[in-house]
Amino acid sequence: GENVEQHPSTLSVQEGDSAVIKCTYSDSASNYFPWYKQELGKGPQLIIDIRSNVGEKKDQRIAVTLNKTAKHFSLHITETQPEDSAVYFCAAKRDDYKLSFGAGTTVTVRA
Amino acid sequence: DSGVTQTPKHLITATGQRVTLRCSPRSGDLSVYWYQQSLDQGLQFLIQYYNGEERAKGNILERFSAQQFPDLHSELNLSSLELGDSALYFCASSVDTAGDTQYFGPGTRLTVL
Repeated sequence: GENVEQHPSTLSVQEGDSAVIKCTYSDSASNYFPWYKQELGKGPQLIIDIRSNVGEKKDQRIAVTLNKTAKHFSLHITETQPEDSAVYFCAAKRDDYKLSFGAGTTVTVRA
Repeated sequence: DSGVTQTPKHLITATGQRVTLRCSPRSGDLSVYWYQQSLDQGLQFLIQYYNGEERAKGNILERFSAQQFPDLHSELNLSSLELGDSALYFCASSVDTAGDTQYFGPGTRLTVL
């Protein structure tokens, strides 16, 4: 089955700086890669996703890049703000298969 | 707010007991997914239902079962509870069976004493 590894497990950044989280996947047939943000006491919230026919996608301060050859994808958050503090999960799946999640990255934005 | 609702928010029970968790998907979504989130196992897929039928199974124990009703709400039944079943249980929904874009509910925190 699909195995998703996520790094780093914790990330502390100064407000205004950028944050980058990286994930690798094992199944070359995976074609959908979402990112979720989970705040304390809440469920995961879909923040951005990318499909395998696209190399990069951006939505305001967040962007995701995908390298199919290397089987890795990354989340970039620019101009970080205190409200960006949360746990971020990457995931991967192929058609009609389950979502496989990474272990999560706890991001802390220091004011 | 994702539009997915789950009840109850918290549940405290004893070992050996049985509990039922309830989920209502977003309006228009036909698929419901159940996940377990624990500190050491992360987010683990349990089971998927699509329009009332079981669609896919993940790491679901035999002591656990689920169903989706004609109004598309779903229930996850956990029986013969053990201390290790203490976790957050999330429900997610998507419009189709492919399960790409899933929206998660707020979760039910189960504590087994």
